[in-house]
Amino acid sequence: EVQLVESGGGLVQPGGSLRLSCSASGFTFSSYTMHWVRQAPGKGLEYLSTITNNGGSTNYADSVKGRFTISRDNSKNTLYLQMNSLTPEDTALYYCVKKHSSGWYVYWGQGTLVTVSS
Amino acid sequence: EIVMTQSPATLSVSPGERATLSCRASQSVASNLAWYQQKPGQAPRLLIYGASTRATGIPARFSGSGSGTEFTLTISSLQSEDFAVYFCHQYNNWPPTFGGGTKVEIK
Repeated sequence: EVQLVESGGGLVQPGGSLRLSCSASGFTFSSYTMHWVRQAPGKGLEYLSTITNNGGSTNYADSVKGRFTISRDNSKNTLYLQMNSLTPEDTALYYCVKKHSSGWYVYWGQGTLVTVSS
Repeated sequence: EIVMTQSPATLSVSPGERATLSCRASQSVASNLAWYQQKPGQAPRLLIYGASTRATGIPARFSGSGSGTEFTLTISSLQSEDFAVYFCHQYNNWPPTFGGGTKVEIK
């Protein structure tokens, strides 16, 4: 069974940093491109970032480009999201997602909440 | 980026009735559209992909249709467990984008 478990969320001050982790199991992690998606409280879903299976290629939404960095450690079956220069607009539930090769999001973690506030 | 617009924002339906949710793309996404259901405190769950293919384990009362820019999710006879928020998602163009959601509530 595919499981994605996010951690690392919490309360951080504006301008601060946080690193999120996503521990994956139930599939061959090193074979799959992985993604981060977020959802602000009471709002819709927003794509954030993608990393290929070997970490060789990454993509970012314009809203986080230059501030967030996606990475992975295939030896630990773990996906990361380093978030810097956080603003209140980054307050959201952050999901780790495994996508089908054709594009739709099949497996979602339970999310980890990031709150940016002074 | 492609803007996905869902309507209505809220749909009030009685159990057993039919619900029809709409999703419009700002440009063609072919059939590269998915629908998700989200209940409070839960992650989204994939319902439909390829505009009309039900995901594994999804009941037949859920159906999707459309292509290009106009899509519909129909729930033929609403059950109590179907009251939730529904999102559409285009994966035809990068970046992938989502609609703002339709909340299906009990009338």
